[in-house]
Amino acid sequence: GENVEQHPSTLSVQEGDSAVIKCTYSDSASNYFPWYKQELGKRPQLIIDIRSNVGEKKDQRIAVTLNKTAKHFSLHITETQPEDSAVYFCAAYGNFNKFYFGSGTKLNVKP
Amino acid sequence: KAGVTQTPRYLIKTRGQQVTLSCSPISGHRSVSWYQQTPGQGLQFLFEYFSETQRNKGNFPGRFSGRQFSNSRSEMNVSTLELGDSALYLCASSLEGETDTQYFGPGTRLTVL
Repeated sequence: GENVEQHPSTLSVQEGDSAVIKCTYSDSASNYFPWYKQELGKRPQLIIDIRSNVGEKKDQRIAVTLNKTAKHFSLHITETQPEDSAVYFCAAYGNFNKFYFGSGTKLNVKP
Repeated sequence: KAGVTQTPRYLIKTRGQQVTLSCSPISGHRSVSWYQQTPGQGLQFLFEYFSETQRNKGNFPGRFSGRQFSNSRSEMNVSTLELGDSALYLCASSLEGETDTQYFGPGTRLTVL
């Protein structure tokens, strides 16, 4: 099956700095890559997604890039704010008609 | 529209018992997926139901089962509970499944003693 690896597992940044989370996947047929944010005690919520026919997508302070050749995709958060503190999960959907999730990154934005 | 709801929110059971969890998807959504979330294993896919049929299944033992009703509400059942089944069980609904946006419920926290 698919294997999604996510790094780093924890990330601490100063407010206003940028944060980058990276994921790699193994199944070259994977074609959809969502990112979820999960605040403590809350449900995961989709924050941005990208499909395999696109290399980059932006939504205000959040962007996702996809490199199909290298089979990795990254989440970029600029001008981080304390409310960005949460656990972020990447996922991949492909040949096996299932979502495979990364292990999560705990982002801490220090005021 | 109302979001995805799950009941109960918390459950405490003992080893060997069985449990049934319920998920009500967003109105109009036909696909419901179930996930197990644990600190060590992250989010792991259990199964997906679409139009009352199990369309996909993850790598969990047969003690984990589910079903979907004609109104798209779904239940999952775990029989002969083990300590390792303690987890947050999340369901997610989407319009048709596959790469449609998934909307998660708040989860059911199951503790097995």
